[in-house]
Formats: sequence, C-alpha cells, structure tokens
Amino acid sequence: DTAVSQTPKYLVTQMGNDKSIKCEQNLGHDTMYWYKQDSKKFLKIMFSYNNKELIINETVPNRFSPKSPDKAHLNLHINSLELGDSAVYFCASSQGTGFPQPQHFGDGTRLSIL
Amino acid sequence: GESVGLHLPTLSVQEGDNSIINCAYSNSASDYFIWYKQESGKGPQFIIDIRSNMDKRQGQRVTVLLNKTVKHLSLQIAATQPGDSAVYFCAEYYNQGGKLIFGQGTELSVKP
Repeated sequence: DTAVSQTPKYLVTQMGNDKSIKCEQNLGHDTMYWYKQDSKKFLKIMFSYNNKELIINETVPNRFSPKSPDKAHLNLHINSLELGDSAVYFCASSQGTGFPQPQHFGDGTRLSIL
Repeated sequence: GESVGLHLPTLSVQEGDNSIINCAYSNSASDYFIWYKQESGKGPQFIIDIRSNMDKRQGQRVTVLLNKTVKHLSLQIAATQPGDSAVYFCAEYYNQGGKLIFGQGTELSVKP
C-alpha cells in the first residue's frame, strides 16, 4: 500500500548514458513533483505537474525531461548523464493547487554516475 | 532572495529530554510552513504544518511555533526517543513561485 513509489531505488551508470526514473502515486493527488537532494542533504525542486500539465520548471538543464502520462505518474528522463547529476532524486505528490497542502515523498532514487 | 536556514546543523540530546530545532525563513510573504523528518535511506516524512494565521500548533509529542515578527520557526519534540533520530527539515511555501523552499536540515541524534 505504498503511497508514492519510485523505481529504481538505486541507479549506477556511466557518464553520457540516458536513464529514466519512474514514479507512481496511489493517493489520488493532482500534483506531482521531482526534487534533487545533493550530498549535503539540500533538497531543491526541479519540476511540478498538475493534472499532467507542467506548472513549475526550475532552472534545470534541458537534459532533464519530465513526462506525465496521467496524473498518477510522473517520470523523469535524463539524457547524456554527467558526474554532477549524481544525487538522490525524490518524487512527491500533493492534493491540488492553490492553497498549499503537505507533499508526500517517495523513498528516492540514488543515482551514481561513474 | 529565497532561503530557509537552520541555526544548528546538528543536535544531540539524551533520550527522554525535549528537543528544539530552529529555523529562520526569509520571505515574509510566505503563508505556510512544514516540518519534515528524513531517516537514512528514506524520503522526507511529513510531521506537522502551520499556516501563517497561527503561531502554535500541536501534534503528538511535537509542537511547531511560528514567530512571523522575526521570521522564525521551531519544532519542539517532547520526550525524545531513539526513533526520533533523523534529519529534520523546515520548508517554506513560497507563494509567488508556488513551491516549497527547504532549509538545509538539522541532524538530531538521540543518545540512549
């Protein structure tokens, strides 16, 4: 009965490769997010989707492309991986837009670039 | 600019003592704040939230205090237990950007 689930949990790959991370939520939320957490534990939002529509797009390189096939799924595709992309990526979801609601997080995908 | 910071990066307490984790935020227009707990290998877990029209909110063993005058937020944990050991984040809802801004985090260590 996992609320927000991400796959894979660990991803080890070489520089230059393309990879995807998948996220699904079964909470019935309208809004989903991708965050990046660096080695110092700093969490920063990357993208946000509401009902499959992009609403937040931070200054993230074009190599990162989110895709939302439906409101329960938000995937993250990364092209031409670089060493600096090594981090933990978290997916989150919340109910609606407008007045803020708590965001519920998955357990993260630890991406390591060799 | 946007920033939410913490006064103490690490906090060590004895089991049974009360813990206080502090947070300073910079955007006076922010109207919603959340505390999250992150255990090793896990995602941030919602603890408690507070809206700007309140100055105190209580949960089970936790209390959040909001002082808008000095833009300060604190999380109090009563009778701290070993299971409370984690990194705690405050987050500020930045209304103009429609996003949460997270602080750096405080690592709480509970000694038995």
